[in-house]
Amino acid sequence: GESVGLHLPTLSVQEGDNSIINCAYSNSASDYFIWYKQESGKGPQFIIDIRSNMDKRQGQRVTVLLNKTVKHLSLQIAATQPGDSAVYFCAEKGTGRRALTFGSGTRLQVQP
Amino acid sequence: DARVTQTPRHKVTEMGQEVTMRCQPILGHNTVFWYRQTMMQGLELLAYFRNRAPLDDSGMPKDRFSAEMPDATLATLKIQPSEPRDSAVYFCASGLVLGQTTDTQYFGPGTRLTVL
Repeated sequence: GESVGLHLPTLSVQEGDNSIINCAYSNSASDYFIWYKQESGKGPQFIIDIRSNMDKRQGQRVTVLLNKTVKHLSLQIAATQPGDSAVYFCAEKGTGRRALTFGSGTRLQVQP
Repeated sequence: DARVTQTPRHKVTEMGQEVTMRCQPILGHNTVFWYRQTMMQGLELLAYFRNRAPLDDSGMPKDRFSAEMPDATLATLKIQPSEPRDSAVYFCASGLVLGQTTDTQYFGPGTRLTVL
């Protein structure tokens, strides 16, 4: 069946280092992808999105890379800060589908 | 700073009681989603509305759950009767869909429901 999954459930990095969070998806018809950040006790917060006609998109300190050939999505966070500690979800939406399918999440722990 | 609001933020109730959760989507958004989040299942879609019409509620237990949008500024999710297995955080999200173009879904802070 269709699914969105993550390779690493927990990622620990040193403050100031770059972080890379990976996500694999199985639906080749997916055309829209989002990364969300969820801090404890809060709702998922939009970070960055990308459509399938792009392979890279940059935001403030974050970059999303999309490799449609291998159905892989990654989130890169530059100069990771303690405030980046959270669970990160990737989500995808396929053409004709109405709602997002979420992955299981990766916990990012930033060590001071 | 427009945001989705949800009430109540926390609800503790006893098994068998009715629970109503409310959501105010971002003004101008035409889609509303209800999700349930648990440690075991992650984020699950319960219901989806577009222009106040329910388009998908296949993820919702029909015998006890109901979702409505009385108007464009209010979405409700009701559980009657509630059961301990309904304990979870319930999120509402809203977004704007124009034609086939999907915009981001913006989430509210959630309602943490505990059914004893």
